[in-house]
Amino acid sequence: SQQGEEDPQALSIQEGENATMNCSYKTSINNLQWYRQNSGRGLVHLILIRSNEREKHSGRLRVTLDTSKKSSSLLITASRAADTASYFCATDRIDSNYQLIWGAGTKLIIKP
Amino acid sequence: NAGVTQTPKFRVLKTGQSMTLLCAQDMNHEYMYWYRQDPGMGLRLIHYSVGEGTTAKGEVPDGYNVSRLKKQNFLLGLESAAPSQTSVYFCASEQGANQPQHFGDGTRLSIL
Repeated sequence: SQQGEEDPQALSIQEGENATMNCSYKTSINNLQWYRQNSGRGLVHLILIRSNEREKHSGRLRVTLDTSKKSSSLLITASRAADTASYFCATDRIDSNYQLIWGAGTKLIIKP
Repeated sequence: NAGVTQTPKFRVLKTGQSMTLLCAQDMNHEYMYWYRQDPGMGLRLIHYSVGEGTTAKGEVPDGYNVSRLKKQNFLLGLESAAPSQTSVYFCASEQGANQPQHFGDGTRLSIL
């Protein structure tokens, strides 16, 4: 069963523009994480936001969490060609017993 | 610092053959995971381990076995490969609960 669902499934923008991806989930969580996956590579951790946090920043990344709506967003500002990748959210459910539940991802393409 | 290393990177098997995928981590992490990634879907957890000598079933364990005889290694076995097991397999390690996971670059497995 999928806990997290990303929206949109695919996003294509011009270099320099901002990119926003959303993640929705179904049950109560301890934390939510965002990962990036470049083509043919493993996933790389970007940001972890805990259930008692509302916003977190890391460089050009901004993540928000709204536990009342069971949703999160990832904003990448001033996008670069190197940001082209798939982005996944993963939730750590309170009752999950160590397991992360992953969304299907958003494929982001940055056009030069 | 190599992080998480998976071998082999690619493999083609015939239906009914067996093989073992190896995952090694050099970060002294307690937790290790095996996932499979299929097109259009999020990562699905096959098996995981919370310490040397312990393993547990994930979301899709059927047809797979695992062993964690040494803390740094986590082996995934396919006893009798089936075409439905064609996938990309990822190993990940984690320092402890609610921490970021570190991924290898995957093993691309095709079952003919």
